[in-house]
Amino acid sequence: EAGVAQSPRYKIIEKRQSVAFWCNPISGHATLYWYQQILGQGPKLLIQFQNNGVVDDSQLPKDRFSAERLKGVDSTLKIQPAKLEDSAVYLCASKPQGENTIYFGEGSWLTVV
Amino acid sequence: SQKIEQNSEALNIQEGKTATLTCNYTNYSPAYLQWYRQDPGRGPVFLLLIRENEKEKRKERLKVTFDTTLKQSLFHITASQPADSATYLCAPSASGGSYIPTFGRGTSLIVHP
Repeated sequence: EAGVAQSPRYKIIEKRQSVAFWCNPISGHATLYWYQQILGQGPKLLIQFQNNGVVDDSQLPKDRFSAERLKGVDSTLKIQPAKLEDSAVYLCASKPQGENTIYFGEGSWLTVV
Repeated sequence: SQKIEQNSEALNIQEGKTATLTCNYTNYSPAYLQWYRQDPGRGPVFLLLIRENEKEKRKERLKVTFDTTLKQSLFHITASQPADSATYLCAPSASGGSYIPTFGRGTSLIVHP
């Protein structure tokens, strides 16, 4: 079974530029999460989708971050404009219905300079 | 606010010994608690889940305990090996509604040959 796919794997941008990350969850997983993990910290939830609807985006900095999951499958996370403190790994994860285990992708590493 | 505490200092042990990692939480009552392993540059990988009505859970060389009175979970790796070296994250989660694991910062385990 294919895992959670994320791209790009690495990205370096200058502050005030924009960036987009893509995630393809495990086939059939209705729930999709985006987490931000800053070096030395645990993953912090940014947004949770159930199919194509947002369940929780209370910790998403909506002035600069946006995310969508239009067809209930792939998802995109965008940052515009980026700040230095956005340097982190952006982890996408998905969960099958009826289970409590979530499956993570390898992450997209962002460095803002 | 909800708080999850894991030892920030790395745990160094000799191969063959038992490693014990601690996760303490405050200001909520999780129905589940999960442990994940994270290797450098990789996404977290699920290891074990324990429910609030379970005192102990085992899987091969891994054992997890869950004390809802102490608000604490202990994660044990017996007969540790250098390949067990990684960061271990605990993730308590409340029951009902959307399922949103909240992660601790993780504890780094280093097993010396």
